[in-house]
This record gives sequence, structure tokens and C-alpha cells, in this order.
Amino acid sequence: EPEVTQTPSHQVTQMGQEVILRCVPISNHLYFYWYRQILGQKVEFLVSFYNNEISEKSEIFDDQFSVERPDGSNFTLKIRSTKLEDSAMYFCASTRDQIYEQYFGPGTRLTVT
Amino acid sequence: AQSVAQPEDQVNVAEGNPLTVKCTYSVSGNPYLFWYVQYPNRGLQFLLKYITGDNLVKGSYGFEAEFNKSQTSFHLKKPSALVSDSALYFCAGDLGGSQGNLIFGKGTKLSVKP
Repeated sequence: EPEVTQTPSHQVTQMGQEVILRCVPISNHLYFYWYRQILGQKVEFLVSFYNNEISEKSEIFDDQFSVERPDGSNFTLKIRSTKLEDSAMYFCASTRDQIYEQYFGPGTRLTVT
Repeated sequence: AQSVAQPEDQVNVAEGNPLTVKCTYSVSGNPYLFWYVQYPNRGLQFLLKYITGDNLVKGSYGFEAEFNKSQTSFHLKKPSALVSDSALYFCAGDLGGSQGNLIFGKGTKLSVKP
């Protein structure tokens, strides 16, 4: 069964550094998403991406964040200058159509020190 | 503001007993509603969804949920709980039918004891 994959599984970085989180969505999916889950809190929507552009973004997704689909398979989330409060589990998700269920990757745990 | 609420932080059930995990939503239009399960150190796994049609939807692992528009609820149920059902359960909704960005409840930890 196809699945969403994410790398790395755990990333430790120093405050102020740039990080890139990578995701490979399911191949025939068209809609892509990033969510984050701060430890002990609810899963929060960050951004949705369709047809090579951002469809919608939350208040969390400020100028420090960017997304890209550099080729036909990868979907990346970049945080330009990490802050301590960016420490969280970041989930990538994809779906064929917005009325279908989203398939989530296993997540990348980002730790900013 | 649109929201999804899970009023219980934890639900404790004995194995073999029925279980219910509650979810309510607040939205002005017709929502798409989902249940996901998260096992320790794992991602979110889809269980079931309500888009339209029959209010009772059946999903993976014997779970079902009933969409109740008058009570704005979408409670998750299972007739007979298993110890292996112990996990964190999230209710989520695409409350605007927009681009699919989901709003999640805070999660309910289900603990099934033998």
C-alpha cells in the first residue's frame, strides 16, 4: 500500500539555523499539506499546496516558512531561521481530492536548541 | 469561530465493553468530518470519514461514527473494545469545505484494560 514518507525522522538544530523537512507524498495525489503538533498539544494546520502554489496558510505560517515542490515527487517545508518555539512534530499529508481522507506521513520531530 | 472539540482528555474502558469517544463541531455550513488514530511515535492513521449521505459511517478496525447534525456531533464508537485499541484519537473537520485544511480536536487518549 502506498504511503507518505518523511525525512529525517528527527532533526536537531540550533536556534537561528535553517532547516528543510522533506516529504514524498503518494504519487497520484494532488493536494499536499503540512501540519505541526507541539508536544502535548493538538495538531495544527500550517499550509496547503495545490497546482504548484499555496492554496491556504494559517497564521502560524509566517515569512519564516516556505514550501516547495522542487520536482515531481518531493514536497519540502523550509524554516528559514528557527526559533525555540518551532520545536514540534511536523506532519506532511497528501490526498487525491479535498473530499478524500488525507494520508499522513510518520512525522519529523524538530528540536530547536 | 469554527472549531472541533473533544471534551474528554481520556476515556477508560474494559476490554470487551463498548467504547465511545466524543467529538462536537462548530461550523456554519456542511462539514467534512474525520477520525484519525495515533499510536506512540507514529503518524496519524485514517479511521473513517463523513462527507455526505448515511449518518452512520463505518471504518477501519470495527470503528464507526454517527454524524448528528442537530447535536453537531460525530462520536466515535466500537461495540467491543480491544486492548490494542489503546491510542490517541483525533477528530478533525474540514469545516469550510475549502482546500482540505483540517481543524483538529485536542485528542482523546483511549485506554483499554484487560
